[in-house]
Amino acid sequence: NAGVTQTPKFRILKIGQSMTLQCTQDMNHNYMYWYRQDPGMGLKLIYYSVGAGITDKGEVPNGYNVSRSTTEDFPLRLELAAPSQTSVYFCASSWGQGVTEAFFGQGTRLTVV
Amino acid sequence: GEDVEQSLFLSVREGDSSVINCTYTDSSSTYLYWYKQEPGAGLQLLTYIFSNMDMKQDQRLTVLLNKKDKHLSLRIADTQTGDSAIYFCAETTGRRALTFGSGTRLQVQP
Repeated sequence: NAGVTQTPKFRILKIGQSMTLQCTQDMNHNYMYWYRQDPGMGLKLIYYSVGAGITDKGEVPNGYNVSRSTTEDFPLRLELAAPSQTSVYFCASSWGQGVTEAFFGQGTRLTVV
Repeated sequence: GEDVEQSLFLSVREGDSSVINCTYTDSSSTYLYWYKQEPGAGLQLLTYIFSNMDMKQDQRLTVLLNKKDKHLSLRIADTQTGDSAIYFCAETTGRRALTFGSGTRLQVQP
């Protein structure tokens, strides 16, 4: 079972560059999430999706975009990278909200220089 | 909005009990979780508790919930070096995504 797979694991971007963080899950989960983890700050929700074709903003959406064309994939797009976006990014998925467990990917460590 | 707070660091000796504390602000929180993050890895669910429960025990783990004070704790009995990790408290009402605390780094000294 692959679970939640994120690519790449590491990336260094220059200011102003763009990139897409890939996330795919093979558990047929409806809900998918993108979080960023800054040191000592816990996880902040960037965007989430409750099903294919439906996305919504989380707590810190500025500078990011998402799409959910299939149940499996939930890519996160950075259009104009800024140093403030240096962080570790986690994708997660769950069957629902509430008691269902959220499964996390291994994370993408992004540095913007 | 909802907020979850934890202390940042806890150091214990191997064999001792560890207690990690968490407070939250949303009185509508229905599901409360403890996740574990090992170095370089994603988060893994350790245990959860419903808001209508006071306590839940699962092998070496004991979760205590004081709903009146909005206080959640995780006790790890007979702490081992393999328990060294960051522990995150999280909560949800069931109608929104999880809100996480900042994580408590547990260091277990041999």
